[in-house]
Amino acid sequence: DADVTQTPRNRITKTGKRIMLECSQTKGHDRMYWYRQDPGLGLRLIYYSFDVKDINKGEISDGYSVSRQAQAKFSLSLESAIPNQTALYFCATSDGRQGSNQPQHFGDGTRLSIL
Amino acid sequence: AQSVTQLGSHVSVSEGALVLLRCNYSSSVPPYLFWYVQYPNQGLQLLLKYTTGATLVKGINGFEAEFKKSETSFHLTKPSAHMSDAAEYFCAVSDQGDSSYKLIFGSGTRLLVRP
Repeated sequence: DADVTQTPRNRITKTGKRIMLECSQTKGHDRMYWYRQDPGLGLRLIYYSFDVKDINKGEISDGYSVSRQAQAKFSLSLESAIPNQTALYFCATSDGRQGSNQPQHFGDGTRLSIL
Repeated sequence: AQSVTQLGSHVSVSEGALVLLRCNYSSSVPPYLFWYVQYPNQGLQLLLKYTTGATLVKGINGFEAEFKKSETSFHLTKPSAHMSDAAEYFCAVSDQGDSSYKLIFGSGTRLLVRP
C-alpha cells in the first residue's frame, strides 16, 4: 500500500461546484502539504500543516481551504471551483521532528479538470 | 525570496550519453537541496539530497549531483542515460532557517532519451 494516498485520482467537475480532495498517510509524519502543479511552473505550495491545530497558508492559498482532521489526514477544498484551478494536485508529508533537511514524500496526485 | 532556476524545460540525449540537468538557487545562505523525479502519472520521488558534508551526493538509479557554493548550483548528472530515465526532474530547496520546512521548486526539466 502507498504511504501517501490521494483520492480521487481524477476528477472532472463544473464551474461553481464544491470539491474536496483527500490525503491520508501511514508514515507517521507530523507535517503535511498541498501543492498544485501546472506545466512550466513546477509545484507551488497551497497550504501546509504542522499538526492538527496548526494550519498555514502557502504561496497560492486564495480560493482554497484545508482541514487537518487527524495527524494522518489532510483534505483540500475548493469552495467554488473555477477553470483556472484545473491542475494536478499533490499531497506531501515530512517528518518535522527530524529537521528541515528531511525530504518530503508525495502521493500520486489528483488530476482535477474544471469545465 | 528564495528562488530556483532550472535551465532548459526540455533536454534530449541519446541512450548511453551523459545526462546533465542544471539547477541554480538564489539564496546567499546555502539551503538544503533536493532533486526529485516524476514519472508519468506518478508523484515525485526523491533522487538525492544535499544537507551538509560531502558536496558530491550520490542518489538512486546512478544519478549524482554536486553542490557548488561559489556558483550557487546543484546540477544533476548521470554518466550514461537509459531509456527508463525519461521523466521530469525537479530541483527543490529548503531554507535552513525557515521553520516551515517549505520546499521551493524549480519549474522542472523534462528529459527525453533517444534510442
